[in-house]
Amino acid sequence: NAGVTQTPKFQVLKTGQSMTLQCAQDMNHEYMSWYRQDPGMGLRLIHYSVGAGITDQGEVPNGYNVSRSTTEDFPLRLLSAAPSQTSVYFCASSPDRIPYEQYFGPGTRLTVT
Amino acid sequence: KQEVTQIPAALSVPEGENLVLNCSFTDSAIYNLQWFRQDPGKGLTSLLLIQSSQREQTSGRLNASLDKSSGRSTLYIAASQPGDSATYLCAVPGGGADGLTFGKGTHLIIQP
Repeated sequence: NAGVTQTPKFQVLKTGQSMTLQCAQDMNHEYMSWYRQDPGMGLRLIHYSVGAGITDQGEVPNGYNVSRSTTEDFPLRLLSAAPSQTSVYFCASSPDRIPYEQYFGPGTRLTVT
Repeated sequence: KQEVTQIPAALSVPEGENLVLNCSFTDSAIYNLQWFRQDPGKGLTSLLLIQSSQREQTSGRLNASLDKSSGRSTLYIAASQPGDSATYLCAVPGGGADGLTFGKGTHLIIQP
């Protein structure tokens, strides 16, 4: 099993550009989520999904969209990037919704100039 | 709102020492607590998951304890090695909206 994979590893965007961060898991997990990690702030939940076709907002959802068309994939879209979205983004999955053990991907480091 | 605090924020010790990392949480009504390790520029690796009904979990040189009533968990690392150098994070369910609430981590350096 590859576990949770994320692409790209690094990305630089200009303000106003859009992009999609990819996340995939091959463990047949129902629950997937996105976090951002900022210095001094810890990890914060952006969006999550409890299964294909079902998504919901986390603590810091503004500026981000998600969809879940398959069990395996959970992309995160930035519609119009802002410097405040400069961060490291982590995708996580678990067999079912919290409080199952969470498995994290390697992260995407995003810089918005 | 659940809040998680980790003390100390940073720790530097010589190789071979036994050490304790602390994690406290404000809402004791938790299902479990998870300890993670994060290497620089890398993702999070799950170390131990303690269910609310358990008091301890062990994996190799790592031992995690949980005291729900006092809102505390400790991660004990025995016979530390330079390879243990990393940031250690604890997290509990209850971040609102089905998420985890994380502490800010303890940055650990083991000196050879």
